[in-house]
Amino acid sequence: SQQGEEDPQALSIQEGENATMNCSYKTSINNLQWYRQNSGRGLVHLILIRSNEREKHSGRLRVTLDTSKKSSSLLITASRAADTASYFCATDALRNSGYSTLTFGKGTMLLVSP
Amino acid sequence: DTGVSQDPRHKITKRGQNVTFRCDPISEHNRLYWYRQTLGQGPEFLTYFQNEAQLEKSRLLSDRFSAERPKGSFSTLEIQRTEQGDSAMYLCASSLGTGGPDTEAFFGQGTRLTVV
Repeated sequence: SQQGEEDPQALSIQEGENATMNCSYKTSINNLQWYRQNSGRGLVHLILIRSNEREKHSGRLRVTLDTSKKSSSLLITASRAADTASYFCATDALRNSGYSTLTFGKGTMLLVSP
Repeated sequence: DTGVSQDPRHKITKRGQNVTFRCDPISEHNRLYWYRQTLGQGPEFLTYFQNEAQLEKSRLLSDRFSAERPKGSFSTLEIQRTEQGDSAMYLCASSLGTGGPDTEAFFGQGTRLTVV
């Protein structure tokens, strides 16, 4: 089953605009990670935020985490056409087995038009 | 290139045939994961190794699926008697450590399986 749910499922913006994607999850986590995937390709790691962190920046990316609401957001500022891709949040959490693994949401498909 | 590599990148097979995929993780990484991804969906967890020990298997991993990591380095995923529903992208990832707040996973490019 998929723990994370991204919102919106699809987002279409113009170059230069900001893009915000949200992720909600269900259980306690060690960390939350955002990945990017170009069509038919592998996943590229973007940023990791620990459960005791509230905000993190990396270049044009800004991630927030609210563990009380079990939600995270990814903001891409000054978007470019090259940012067109699917974006996934993944939570690193303990499973029933006692081991932690990554669980992904269904993703947000971002289209940035020139 | 010292990233995660998967082989083959694409595989077309006839229904009923067996297929095997290989994953070479980043060399110092002790954790290795297999995921499956179908069109329009996020990756779904299949199984997890810490060194050579297979510590967890998803219920998605039916009896026709088997994974190994014999020396704690590369891993193989075999699907026996393939079905059309097995058509998907199979992704491998690796990470370092025993889990916890800083465990960052790195993914390979995936093996796209098409069962005809």
